[in-house]
This record gives sequence, structure tokens and C-alpha cells, in this order.
Amino acid sequence: DAKTTQPPSMDCAEGRAANLPCNHSTISGNEYVYWYRQIHSQGPQYIIHGLKNNETNEMASLIITEDRKSSTLILPHATLRDTAVYYCIPYNQGGKLIFGQGTELSVKP
Amino acid sequence: NAGVMQNPRHLVRRRGQEARLRCSPMKGHSHVYWYRQLPEEGLKFMVYLQKENIIDESGMPKERFSAEFPKEGPSILRIQQVVRGDSAAYFCASGNYNEQFFGPGTRLTVL
Repeated sequence: DAKTTQPPSMDCAEGRAANLPCNHSTISGNEYVYWYRQIHSQGPQYIIHGLKNNETNEMASLIITEDRKSSTLILPHATLRDTAVYYCIPYNQGGKLIFGQGTELSVKP
Repeated sequence: NAGVMQNPRHLVRRRGQEARLRCSPMKGHSHVYWYRQLPEEGLKFMVYLQKENIIDESGMPKERFSAEFPKEGPSILRIQQVVRGDSAAYFCASGNYNEQFFGPGTRLTVL
């Protein structure tokens, strides 16, 4: 299973874009990059996933480098409700999710 | 479309008792996953089930823990003879193949 490296914490001003990086240099060819977040001990919430193309949905954008060794999750206009721990997870679809330590994002007014 | 349901949301047990945690997957989902989050720790995979089958139980403790997902009814995570170290949040997720949607969790406290 691929290991990930994420900064332990980040701050972001409300209304600004939050860019959360993730290094997954050992990702295998059939693993997707998934992002989840956990808001204060609630159940993890799915955000977005991608294989090698950039992806966008109503919550966020996902930028994956061409060599697939890293990715960035972008929350375009962060709000206070986006304060959470964000997890980047290389995932073999159909199997188990392996959560690392994640990045604790604090959105400040 | 209701999300993943877990009950009870909070469960208190004394040492040596049994704990039963229930998970009802989202409609149309045939895969169920259980994860555990110990206090101040990350989420850890426990077991992956499809209807009537255990697919991967590599994260389950070898003793006292069992899980099932019967043909009818919710998935059950059963912990026998609970100890204080079992106090944690237990999350269930359901999906079909490419996504897992999580329930709100059951917080187990062992006195």
C-alpha cells in the first residue's frame, strides 16, 4: 500500500482558497487518489477522487501531477465549516481505505 | 435516500459485557466496511464484508471481535467481554465499488 505525506496542519483565511498538498510517491498504477475529511469526530466525508486527470466537483478540485507522485486538493473559497482533518488516500477500488495522519485545516475568520 | 445508519450512537458497557454495533448500509450498497478510531488516534480498517461473506478481516483483533452481514438486516460488529481498551468510535461505511460513504459512528465507552 502506498504511503502518503501530508503537512500536519495548515491555516487558511475564510473566503480564500485552501490548497492542501499530498505526496504519494509510491502510488501504484491502479491506485486512485481519494480525499476524505473528518469534521470533529464525525464520520469521514468523501470529497473527490481521481486517477491521473484533474477533477472538479461541487466541493473541491483535485490536481494530480503528471507523474502521479503528488496531488493537491483545492477548496476554492474556504468557510469556517471546512475546518477539519483532510486525508489523502491512494486507493485500490473495492478494498480498504488506509488513513494516514492527515492535515488539520483551520479556517480562520 | 437515507445515508448509512449506525445504532446505537452511544453505547456504555461495563468490563466483561458484550457490545453489539449495528450498521445499515445505504440503499443499493452491498459492501460494508468497519473502521475503529481510538481516542486521539487515526482511523483503522477492521473488516470488509459483502452479503453473507467476509472479504477481508485483516484489521480485526484475533479474539473477542466478530462481524457479520446477513442476507437480511444490518451488519453487526460484535465485541465480547469488552475491556477498557475497546473504548473508541466505531465507524461503518458502505459502498459498491469505487466509493465508501461513512455513517455517524457508534461511540463505545467501557467502564
